[in-house]
Amino acid sequence: AQSVTQLGSHVSVSEGALVLLRCNYSSSVPPYLFWYVQYPNQGLQLLLKYTSAATLVKGINGFEAEFKKSETSFHLTKPSAHMSDAAEYFCAVSLLSGGYNKLIFGAGTRLAVHP
Amino acid sequence: NAGVTQTPKFRILKIGQSMTLQCTQDMNHNYMYWYRQDPGMGLKLIYYSVGAGITDKGEVPNGYNVSRSTTEDFPLRLELAAPSQTSVYFCASSYSGTGGPEAFFGQGTRLTVV
Repeated sequence: AQSVTQLGSHVSVSEGALVLLRCNYSSSVPPYLFWYVQYPNQGLQLLLKYTSAATLVKGINGFEAEFKKSETSFHLTKPSAHMSDAAEYFCAVSLLSGGYNKLIFGAGTRLAVHP
Repeated sequence: NAGVTQTPKFRILKIGQSMTLQCTQDMNHNYMYWYRQDPGMGLKLIYYSVGAGITDKGEVPNGYNVSRSTTEDFPLRLELAAPSQTSVYFCASSYSGTGGPEAFFGQGTRLTVV
């Protein structure tokens, strides 16, 4: 069965510090991978996606993620955190199952940014 | 461009009541999904549809029903509401072309069952 694991339900960083949110997936074949962001009382917004092209994917708001097949990881990074980055982040994986795509989400990581 | 629209935004139900959560998308996407979000649990897939007339169960389908009579609409029906169904519900849609099935989400429906 395919699953997504996000290490750390809460991450706290200082403004200007590196942001690293971890995501590991289990899949027998390279899947499509996504990072979504959710601001309070809002729906989910796509940050970036991996679709078997470049392994380093750049997204919105200065975020990027690197697909590492050997580690089955897709960690999200941002060189310098901003107060506005405080939100919940979800890693998701999609794979053909029974001929259809299913999107499966991790449990989420809440990012806090302090001055 | 409205995207994915969910109604209502908030609802309080009494135990045993029923209701339908509405979801409409205007992007001509063939895939549609219903998720529930509980604190610390991420999003769990309830049902999904790959096109009009085709639906299938996700991870947590018990207590819910869906239908997909048109490409645009994918309502979620709760029969005999229970406190365990208190949650935030999200509808999403995606296409199935190349480039990966990026999902677009509605703003959510916050449901409380008392």
